[in-house]
Amino acid sequence: GNSVTQMEGPVTLSEEAFLTINCTYTATGYPSLFWYVQYPGEGLQLLLKATKADDKGSNKGFEATYRKETTSFHLEKGSVQVSDSAVYFCALSDQPGGTSYGKLTFGQGTILTVHP
Amino acid sequence: DTAVSQTPKYLVTQMGNDKSIKCEQNLGHDTMYWYKQDSKKFLKIMFSYNNKELIINETVPNRFSPKSPDKAHLNLHINSLELGDSAVYFCASSQDRWGESQGATDTQYFGPGTRLTVL
Repeated sequence: GNSVTQMEGPVTLSEEAFLTINCTYTATGYPSLFWYVQYPGEGLQLLLKATKADDKGSNKGFEATYRKETTSFHLEKGSVQVSDSAVYFCALSDQPGGTSYGKLTFGQGTILTVHP
Repeated sequence: DTAVSQTPKYLVTQMGNDKSIKCEQNLGHDTMYWYKQDSKKFLKIMFSYNNKELIINETVPNRFSPKSPDKAHLNLHINSLELGDSAVYFCASSQDRWGESQGATDTQYFGPGTRLTVL
């Protein structure tokens, strides 16, 4: 079955530091890949997505590139802010017609804390 | 104009009780979902409905029964609540139309969550 593995947290950084959160996946075919963010006390918000190999998703200074050859979708940001403190989830959705289409499979989440 | 809303936001109840959580989306989406987030933040899908039809039913105790009166609503009823049911439950919706093979948009939009505490 499909699975997503994220780097273990928590991750603690100083403001303006470079962020990488690793994400690798196991799936058949060509799944869509997502990063969701959960701010304290809130629901999940889509941060960015990519639907095919070599696609780069980007939003709010965050980027992730769909790497089919390494089955990875690492999240990066060049300069984090205190307001980026949240839990970040990598997820995949099977391709249309796949047995798990429509079902998001999540990684375990990575807690990010950014200090001033 | 909240896109996906859930009620209640917090629910505290005793073991053995029956409770419901309601979800509504005003995005015009065809598919809705329920997810459970445990105390370690792990998220797992429970159910998915497409146009009021059950599509995904993960291995969930039959004490949990989703009900979709129309495609904008997906409620979750839980019978005989147990301590282990304590979690945050998230509703979500997506535009994708089940069965289409081209051009489907699979991005899911989540509600704010309902924190259920069973005492």
